[in-house]
Amino acid sequence: DTAVSQTPKYLVTQMGNDKSIKCEQNLGHDTMYWYKQDSKKFLKIMFSYNNKELIINETVPNRFSPKSPDKAHLNLHINSLELGDSAVYFCASSQVGGYTEAFFGQGTRLTVV
Amino acid sequence: GQQLNQSPQSMFIQEGEDVSMNCTSSSIFNTWLWYKQDPGEGPVLLIALYKAGELTSNGRLTAQFGITRKDSFLNISASIPSDVGIYFCAGQGPHGGSQGNLIFGKGTKLSVKP
Repeated sequence: DTAVSQTPKYLVTQMGNDKSIKCEQNLGHDTMYWYKQDSKKFLKIMFSYNNKELIINETVPNRFSPKSPDKAHLNLHINSLELGDSAVYFCASSQVGGYTEAFFGQGTRLTVV
Repeated sequence: GQQLNQSPQSMFIQEGEDVSMNCTSSSIFNTWLWYKQDPGEGPVLLIALYKAGELTSNGRLTAQFGITRKDSFLNISASIPSDVGIYFCAGQGPHGGSQGNLIFGKGTKLSVKP
């Protein structure tokens, strides 16, 4: 009954590869997010997306792209992985318009070698 | 962009002591949230605040939304070992565009001496 689930939990890959992280929420929320947490535990938003609007943090390289097949899923695709992409990536969801608490998945630890 | 200043950065406390941490911002927020993150897990929502001056409790946790809408504090009373973790404040501006996204503080790492 996990509210926000993401897979895989761990991902180790070589530089230059392309990888995807999947996220699904069963809360019926209309907005989903991707956050990046660096080694100092700082959480920074990468994207927010609902069926109307994709908002991209301008600091996110265009090698990162969100893909939403439907309202309950927001996958993160990363092309040409670099060493600096190593971090923990969190998916989250919320209901915009009213109470807007964001609920987080368990995270995907990406290690680029 | 918007930034939150969260303090202290870390703290060690004796079991049973009370803990206090706070966040301040240079801009106004409509919502303040407090999260806790355990190792290897995602942040879990502890308390949500929606009105200036609001004081809300969740068990041993109490949080307040500052009157100026630019700050919030979280208190933990009678700390226990399972309180260990990283606590994050998060603020949300007016809905719409990037201002509607949550902005996180840098966290307060809490360690309890048994």
